Amino acid sequence: EPEVTQTPSHQVTQMGQEVILRCVPISNHLYFYWYRQILGQKVEFLVSFYNNEISEKSEIFDDQFSVERPDGSNFTLKIRSTKLEDSAMYFCASSEWTGRLPEAFFGQGTRLTVV
Amino acid sequence: AQTVTQSQPEMSVQEAETVTLSCTYDTSENNYYLFWYKQPPSRQMILVIRQEAYKQQNATENRFSVNFQKAAKSFSLKISDSQLGDTAMYFCAFMKWGKSSGDKLTFGTGTRLAVRP
Repeated sequence: EPEVTQTPSHQVTQMGQEVILRCVPISNHLYFYWYRQILGQKVEFLVSFYNNEISEKSEIFDDQFSVERPDGSNFTLKIRSTKLEDSAMYFCASSEWTGRLPEAFFGQGTRLTVV
Repeated sequence: AQTVTQSQPEMSVQEAETVTLSCTYDTSENNYYLFWYKQPPSRQMILVIRQEAYKQQNATENRFSVNFQKAAKSFSLKISDSQLGDTAMYFCAFMKWGKSSGDKLTFGTGTRLAVRP
């Protein structure tokens, strides 16, 4: 069964460093998302991406964040200069529109720890 | 903007019993989708069930069913014959109806369900 894969599963980084979280969405999907879940809290939308551009972003997604689809398969989230409060689980998701019910398929997440 | 509220932070149920998780939402949209996602200890988000707002019939998926009350903006999840593997965090989520499925999910704060042996 097709699935969304994320790497790495856990990343530890020093405050101020840049990190890149990687995702491989399901191959025929057209819409890509990043969500964040701070430990013990709800899942929050960061950004959606379609047709090689951001379609929507939340207030969390400030200038420190960027997304890119550098090739036909990968979808990345970059945090330019990490802060302690960026420590969270980051989920990538993808979906397609076929006229049927929408469904976002989630990856297993990347746990980011900023120290 | 949409909001999703889950008023039960934690629930517990005996194995084989039935449990209902509550969810209410607020929106000015008339057409939308509602979802329940399960997040087991592995942390992966797994779709449990979804409901189209324009359908009056409640969705069912095996042991999982919903009670969708559009006028009351209520969307509860019933788990029948609870199993130990149902132990997880459950999130209610909202997606507005768009020209594509490119719209974001808005999640509630979650209900942690523990199934007791």
